[in-house]
Order: sequence, then structure tokens, then C-alpha cells
Amino acid sequence: QKEVEQDPGPLSVPEGAIVSLNCTYSNSAFQYFMWYRQYSRKGPELLMYTYSSGNKEDGRFTAQVDKSSKYISLFIRDSQPSDSATYLCAMKTTGTASKLTFGTGTRLQVTL
Amino acid sequence: DVKVTQSSRYLVKRTGEKVFLECVQDMDHENMFWYRQDPGLGLRLIYFSYDVKMKEKGDIPEGYSVSREKKERFSLILESASTNQTSMYLCASSPHGSGAPDTQYFGPGTRLTVL
Repeated sequence: QKEVEQDPGPLSVPEGAIVSLNCTYSNSAFQYFMWYRQYSRKGPELLMYTYSSGNKEDGRFTAQVDKSSKYISLFIRDSQPSDSATYLCAMKTTGTASKLTFGTGTRLQVTL
Repeated sequence: DVKVTQSSRYLVKRTGEKVFLECVQDMDHENMFWYRQDPGLGLRLIYFSYDVKMKEKGDIPEGYSVSREKKERFSLILESASTNQTSMYLCASSPHGSGAPDTQYFGPGTRLTVL
């Protein structure tokens, strides 16, 4: 069983829709949770991160962590065609090591 | 702006060849990483380095080695390329941290095909 599970999609939504992207994990030592966005033929870029449980909002994006369920979500409000990309969740434990464990990524297509 | 550059965007090599993938970052970051990305498997860590001349194995180091002679440069070496090493290779760097999510900055990737 993978440490981090993520539905690969593709997920297709109309412009303006609310998008929900999710990951589940099995390692209870994970404390930091990140979402990366990867456009086609580009490297991933950090979108948001949260520490432990709770919500974090940044513009149209909200990251949510539920440690009791080992479940994290990224919500995108008023989705735009420019949001079309692959979204990867990533997690790490505390400590000096910077090693991240990634999900496989969900491909999102926002249509006009 | 942090910049991570990789020597090639596309590379085609033959089975058995020795392959060098180069990565350079310009932000004086201590940490550097090599990943491969495959459909359905996501990003998997091959090797990483916390300092010059230091290296640590990641999750899938078999068939690979690395070199970090200078802080800004991290090289991935395929000693004898095989077809199952056909993949997208991504380099990343991050500043040293003590537990906070050191943001990893990724390069554009090298798509390697081994024939």
C-alpha cells in the first residue's frame, strides 16, 4: 500500500465550478502537507502548505487537513481554464530532513 | 527568482550508455534532489544531498549515482542505461530547514528515452 493515495483523474469541470482535490495517507507522522501544481512540460511549483490540522486560505485556494481521518483536500473556487494542470499533494514529517512523499497527482481540466 | 536549470529537456540514449544529467541552481540552496516521474507512480526520490560532497539514497537509488562537487550543481549518473530508466527526471533544490516545509523549487525536467 502506498503511503499517499491520490485519484489520478482526469477531472473535468466547467469554468466557475468549485473543484475538490483529495489525498489520503497512512503515515501518522506526517506533519506538513503541501500542494504542488504542475503545468504540462514544466516542473511542479508549490501552491500551498499547511502544518498539522486545520484550514488555510489563499485567494481562490483553500487547503484543508484532517489528521484524524488522514485526509487532505485542496479546494479551488471559481475555477479558471488557467487552473488546468496536474495537482500533486506532498507530505513530510518534522525533523531536519526535507524529504517529501508525493501523491501520484490528479489531472484537472477546466473547460470554457 | 529562484532558478533551477537542467542541462537538457529531451535526451535519447542507447542501452548500456553512461548518461549524465546536470542540474544547477542559482539561490545558494543547501539541499538538492533528483526525482523521476512516471505515470501512475508520481514523483519518486532517487537521491538527495544536504551539502557539497554529501549524498543520501532516496527510495529508488538502484542503477543511479550522484555527484555534488559544488554547492550549485548536482549531477545524476546512469552508469549503464536501461530501457526501464526511460522517464521524466526532475531536479529540485531547497534552503536548509529545521522542520518547516522547505519549499522545493523544481527544474523543468529532462525527458530521457533509452532505446
